[in-house]
Amino acid sequence: EADIYQTPRYLVIGTGKKITLECSQTMGHDKMYWYQQDPGMELHLIHYSYGVNSTEKGDLSSESTVSRIRTEHFPLTLESARPSHTSQYLCASSGLDKETQYFGPGTRLLVL
Amino acid sequence: GNSVTQMEGPVTLSEEAFLTINCTYTATGYPSLFWYVQYPGEGLQLLLKATKADDKGSNKGFEATYRKETTSFHLEKGSVQVSDSAVYFCALSGVGSGNTGKLIFGQGTTLQVKP
Repeated sequence: EADIYQTPRYLVIGTGKKITLECSQTMGHDKMYWYQQDPGMELHLIHYSYGVNSTEKGDLSSESTVSRIRTEHFPLTLESARPSHTSQYLCASSGLDKETQYFGPGTRLLVL
Repeated sequence: GNSVTQMEGPVTLSEEAFLTINCTYTATGYPSLFWYVQYPGEGLQLLLKATKADDKGSNKGFEATYRKETTSFHLEKGSVQVSDSAVYFCALSGVGSGNTGKLIFGQGTTLQVKP
């Protein structure tokens, strides 16, 4: 069983606020990922990291930013939230079996 | 480019019915193939995977066989339960130079099982 955590699970916030979505894993995995999941359930990769101090943009352009200062921690930040950012955000990680990704429970974000 | 196509949902079945969710892929090289499941209000969980042609992945009564000749990885279960109601994602990985670990997902198929 994978140990990957996301907080908060649900967030309702007003337009213009700065928010940080937390993601932590206790498995020592090098690779971590952020996905945005739209209401139709489709998943879009928005950021990924291959290790400490490594971050890359994903396939879907996003106004969010990420950092990877510690192996276990991969937070996502929105400097100024907008209603178009309303979505579910899923964090994942992978280790030695680099093809298998383990997902956190997700954060549901609603921007009013 | 590389892509995964799943049958559109929702798929609605009665309990104990046979399930097939179709998945086909387009890829260069030899990808690994996965099925993930997402239960309501949760993240994705790996259901099964296959890493080479003719491999069969299986878990919890679900099966899928990696068919290179038809570029398919259809998910099957002989007798579904209400608890199988979820969204199922087909995915591929390991394509292209340097295995980056990035997954390419299909659009997801919602399964509803009625008692």
